[in-house]
Amino acid sequence: DAKTTQPNSMESNEEEPVHLPCNHSTISGTDYIHWYRQLPSQGPEYVIHGLTSNVNNRMASLAIAEDRKSSTLILHRATLRDAAVYYCILKGETSGSRLTFGEGTQLTVNP
Amino acid sequence: EAQVTQNPRYLITVTGKKLTVTCSQNMNHEYMSWYRQDPGLGLRQIYYSMNVEVTDKGDVPEGYKVSRKEKRNFPLILESPSPNQTSLYFCASSLGGVPNTEAFFGQGTRLTVV
Repeated sequence: DAKTTQPNSMESNEEEPVHLPCNHSTISGTDYIHWYRQLPSQGPEYVIHGLTSNVNNRMASLAIAEDRKSSTLILHRATLRDAAVYYCILKGETSGSRLTFGEGTQLTVNP
Repeated sequence: EAQVTQNPRYLITVTGKKLTVTCSQNMNHEYMSWYRQDPGLGLRQIYYSMNVEVTDKGDVPEGYKVSRKEKRNFPLILESPSPNQTSLYFCASSLGGVPNTEAFFGQGTRLTVV
């Protein structure tokens, strides 16, 4: 499976936008980019996914670079409840339904 | 409401005493899997199932068994638990075989083996 690289930690202030980066330089043409987050003491939670085009949903936006070697998860207005570990995961034909978690980015939101 | 339900949420047991952690989903998903989460090691897949009666090993299957007799249930069995199986366990489900669908996770089972 192609690997992803994320910063270990990031910090933001409440009600400000947050941009969480992910590098995936070995991504294949059929790999989807998925983001999950894990709040303290909870199971991972799906955030968003995309293939080539930018995506928006009620939780976040996903911006995908034109060459697909990187992507950015955007939280438009961070709240204290967004403090979590964010995982960027590639899923493709070989991985199918399997999710392989890396270390993710620990996001701290300051009041 | 779409959900994955694990039971129990917390369990303390003694070495060698067989236990089962149950997992049930209400979304008619084909794919189900078990993960364990340990500090510094992240989330690692233990076993997965592509459908009823189809199971396979993940990355860390030693010491665990699973079964998939019904589509909605995927229990994790520890026949002879040992202290190194003390961990936080998560069950997950999703539509099978497609990489562009989301997975749903249970709330977790914190297991302590003494």
